[in-house]
Amino acid sequence: GVTQSPTHLIKTRGQQVTLRCSSQSGHNTVSWYQQALGQGPQFIFQYYREEENGRGNFPPRFSGLQFPNDSSELNVNALELDDSALYLCASSIQGTLNYGYTFGSGTRLTVV
Amino acid sequence: RKEVEQDPGPFNVPEGATVAFNCTYSNSASQSFFWYRQDCRKEPKLLMSVYSSGNEDGRFTAQLNRASQYISLLIRDSKLSDSATYLCVVNTGNQFYFGTGTSLTVIP
Repeated sequence: GVTQSPTHLIKTRGQQVTLRCSSQSGHNTVSWYQQALGQGPQFIFQYYREEENGRGNFPPRFSGLQFPNDSSELNVNALELDDSALYLCASSIQGTLNYGYTFGSGTRLTVV
Repeated sequence: RKEVEQDPGPFNVPEGATVAFNCTYSNSASQSFFWYRQDCRKEPKLLMSVYSSGNEDGRFTAQLNRASQYISLLIRDSKLSDSATYLCVVNTGNQFYFGTGTSLTVIP
């Protein structure tokens, strides 16, 4: 399946954070979502073949990387209190979104 | 206007009841539709896809009305284990758009 690390993280406002995701075997596309408390997940961006392949309404301080082994990182610079959320990684095979996503269990980030 | 709108609830129903959730979406070009279930402090998990012809999986029935841009989920004979948040999800382009979720609590 999809694995994410760490599971929980506490950071101070202004710091930088890196979250990691390992895709399900055979999946070549990874998408990142932010889920604030009481809200549905919001699309941050998607990577396919190590290139950004779509981006939601998030500022440039949210950036990502996808590696040849289909693992991925989400980096957030200059953390703000509102960045506190559950960050979800989902992997898929490009062109098969009709089958839905498999999510990792998420990283819960708290910014204080 | 939000891509996906859901009634957040909460819905509190007795065991054995039938409960229906509704969802509307704004983009007529949306391509595929799903219901996800999310337990407290867990990740969303795919419950079922939604097809225009309607589809059923045990006690769960999903319907899609493309003309009205409306999706529904019906749960029959509710169980305590059905208590969760149900997320309506729409695939448009290469993005999934999630509703805010509808909270269901099944009461003994």
